[in-house]
Amino acid sequence: SYELTQPPSVSVSPGQAARITCSGDALPKKYAYWYQQKSGQAPVLVIYEDNKRPSGIPDRFSGSSSGTMATLTISGAQVGDEADYYCYSTDSSGNPVFGGGTKLTVL
Amino acid sequence: EVQLLESGGDLVRPGGCLRLSCVASGFTLSTYAMGWVRQAPGKGLEWVSGISGSDGSTYYADSVKGRFTISRDSSKNMLFLQMDSLGAEDTARYYCAKRKGPEGGEFDLWGRGTLVTVSS
Repeated sequence: SYELTQPPSVSVSPGQAARITCSGDALPKKYAYWYQQKSGQAPVLVIYEDNKRPSGIPDRFSGSSSGTMATLTISGAQVGDEADYYCYSTDSSGNPVFGGGTKLTVL
Repeated sequence: EVQLLESGGDLVRPGGCLRLSCVASGFTLSTYAMGWVRQAPGKGLEWVSGISGSDGSTYYADSVKGRFTISRDSSKNMLFLQMDSLGAEDTARYYCAKRKGPEGGEFDLWGRGTLVTVSS
């Protein structure tokens, strides 16, 4: 089955850039999406179609994709950005696939 | 207001069954692809099942195929997940989620989830 691979954790100091990667063999042909999930809450979409930001998402959130790797970048990370981040894409059948998640710590 | 509200989660014994419900407000559920996504305690997100907004085709993760059944009631604007032969590995919060289009796309609206616990 298709897999998306993320690092389990990323840690940065406030104000630094946080970069979270997601690797998958189909990413050259499929869009990557990113969800933020804060403790006890439902996921929230922060990036869609590799690099687009939904309305209401701060512009410090950006996305990129090159080859088999997609990257979520949070420029000037804040304590309030601490959360689990999941990449998302689809397999060859169009079924959803989530990455394993990355816990972002800002301290 | 556009929202999803799940219900039906409960404590159930191994081998038992449960039916989850999700009511949609502010949009017509049957015209969008919909899905169920679960999250075991302390674990990541796992897609469980989906239904097409175009022709009602249904899809399942291998982990639940043959045990779970997704369906919808257009008259009530509701989505369901019938779960049979439950095991401890099915313990999770189950989220109902709407996809962007009738055939797929990203999940752009989520409910708050309903908790299913499988334990003796």
